[in-house]
Amino acid sequence: KNQVEQSPQSLIILEGKNCTLQCNYTVSPFSNLRWYKQDTGRGPVSLTIMTFSENTKSNGRYTATLDADTKQSSLHITASQLSDSASYICVVSGPILTGGGNKLTFGTGTQLKVEL
Amino acid sequence: EAGVVQSPRYKIIEKKQPVAFWCNPISGHNTLYWYRQNLGQGPELLIRYENEEAVDDSQLPKDRFSAERLKGVDSTLKIQPAELGDSAVYLCASSLGSSAPLFFGSGTQLSVL
Repeated sequence: KNQVEQSPQSLIILEGKNCTLQCNYTVSPFSNLRWYKQDTGRGPVSLTIMTFSENTKSNGRYTATLDADTKQSSLHITASQLSDSASYICVVSGPILTGGGNKLTFGTGTQLKVEL
Repeated sequence: EAGVVQSPRYKIIEKKQPVAFWCNPISGHNTLYWYRQNLGQGPELLIRYENEEAVDDSQLPKDRFSAERLKGVDSTLKIQPAELGDSAVYLCASSLGSSAPLFFGSGTQLSVL
């Protein structure tokens, strides 16, 4: 069964500190891995998308890494800000072998809170 | 450019009542998704459209849920009758294709009493 597991489930850090969120997946075959940020009461917003051949991708203070061999990804947030408080969801896409298209498997997210 | 627009933003109904959600995707996005998200969980796919065709509705509880995407643009999701367990956030998303990034709306928060 395709699964996406994220850790930690929740995290509290002080403003200005760095943090790293983890994502392990069993989705196979694999198309790409996405990180989304979901503010409370809003829909998820895409941060990064990485394909099999990409090891790292940055978006401002967000840097995602991917190890397709071990099926692990991380999202590193540098110099955190209060506005980084949100749920961060890892999503793995794999091709649908019959019928075409891609199937997305969502993790349950890491709830990050940045405090003063 | 307008994003994915959903309405209503919130809906409170009593069990056994019908309810409908509406979604206007980003212009030009052929792929439209309806997801359900329970508190503390990731979104779960209900149905995916490619233009006006429902290409994946395997997770849609068809006894009470229905959806349509007339003319391949706007979409509505209906629940009739609603049950207590249907309380969740219903998210609509659209993309240029199933391999492209998804753009989500703000969702409809449904509370069934």
